[in-house]
Amino acid sequence: SAVISQKPSRDICQRGTSLTIQCQVDSQVTMMFWYRQQPGQSLTLIATANQGSEATYESGFVIDKFPISRPNLTFSTLTVSNMSPEDSSIYLCSALRDSTDTQYFGPGTRLTVL
Amino acid sequence: AQTVTQSQPEMSVQEAETVTLSCTYDTSESDYYLFWYKQPPSRQMILVIRQEAYKQQNATENRFSVNFQKAAKSFSLKISDSQLGDAAMYFCAYRSAFWGGADGLTFGKGTHLIIQP
Repeated sequence: SAVISQKPSRDICQRGTSLTIQCQVDSQVTMMFWYRQQPGQSLTLIATANQGSEATYESGFVIDKFPISRPNLTFSTLTVSNMSPEDSSIYLCSALRDSTDTQYFGPGTRLTVL
Repeated sequence: AQTVTQSQPEMSVQEAETVTLSCTYDTSESDYYLFWYKQPPSRQMILVIRQEAYKQQNATENRFSVNFQKAAKSFSLKISDSQLGDAAMYFCAYRSAFWGGADGLTFGKGTHLIIQP
């Protein structure tokens, strides 16, 4: 498995502001991913973050709203920009363990936008 | 695009009994991975079991086993000797195994498993 940490674990923010979520993996990984889990819902992929290249966004998600950085093979950040109450969700980071083609998840960040 | 369907929003089972959670998927790909993840109230996503589509043998992990029917595109999870700690949301997920295919996971809507003491 992989040990993945996220900061912050939760936050309450005002609309119109931005929040950056950090994700740290205990070993080098090729691919990292960001997912959103809206209240009572399943997980939806926001984007794939590969080191050294631009993130690849899924339909319905855009870079201006969810800019992502991947400066090295163990770290990534997701920014939720110009937040509105509809952005209130759990945001989860995951990393792909290449040897098993399996994704492991961080503990998530619970975001509430007022 | 691939889709994953979990038709049971909620299941309840007595402690020590066996329960089966259903999952079906739709894909035109021949090689892929299927997963079951567990999400307790702590919201941490925990891998339960993994199946490679090209392997006919069903995966097992201790009390957890799957019934993988590739032709029927079915991937059910059986939990034997249910324990109180098994109570959680269970998500079925799909990932392409093709180079250049979708790298992320496609999830079903989840099944809420309740364990009755």
